[in-house]
Amino acid sequence: EAQVTQNPRYLITVTGKKLTVTCSQNMNHEYMSWYRQDPGLGLRQIYYSMNVEVTDKGDVPEGYKVSRKEKRNFPLILESPSPNQTSLYFCASSLSAGSRGYTFGSGTRLTVV
Amino acid sequence: GEDVEQSLFLSVREGDSSVINCTYTDSSSTYLYWYKQEPGAGLQLLTYIFSNMDMKQDQRLTVLLNKKDKHLSLRIADTQTGDSAIYFCAEKSNDYKLSFGAGTTVTVRA
Repeated sequence: EAQVTQNPRYLITVTGKKLTVTCSQNMNHEYMSWYRQDPGLGLRQIYYSMNVEVTDKGDVPEGYKVSRKEKRNFPLILESPSPNQTSLYFCASSLSAGSRGYTFGSGTRLTVV
Repeated sequence: GEDVEQSLFLSVREGDSSVINCTYTDSSSTYLYWYKQEPGAGLQLLTYIFSNMDMKQDQRLTVLLNKKDKHLSLRIADTQTGDSAIYFCAEKSNDYKLSFGAGTTVTVRA
């Protein structure tokens, strides 16, 4: 089944403890992106990647890192999480940046205490 | 950055039509989308419209685009309880980024 898989689905962590949220897609998509969803703000883009080894900042990149060493994987790294990064995170992919459809993962709900 | 606005809540009676409205600011938008998010789930692409189209119909869904006013709407005919969800309007501009509105929570009452 064609899908975007994020792990974990739920995560509670403490301030300052490094964490990684994984994202993997099995559709050979070139374009991948991370969003965070907060009430009343919709989805805001954190980082995106047009292809392997090509990443760029979105609207809210502060406090996050990404890497794209392989086409299928696009992990989101929080080196030193803070409570304001408590949010619902979505990974998305598409065949190319200009294509019509984006496929979203099921989301990762992160709580930083 | 781009600004996409939509009303936050809509309550509709089962069987009636729902109309969700959205405005955007980026005149270079290429595609405009409607996504649906059910509780605890990710975003599901409902439909999209290319910026050179005025209207698109897909079963119970009708999308209207007024490019001059930068206004997009989604009409759901014969609204059912399964249509209760958050609906996001999104635009894609020439830099390929998807910009989302805050989402409209649609509640269908019996």
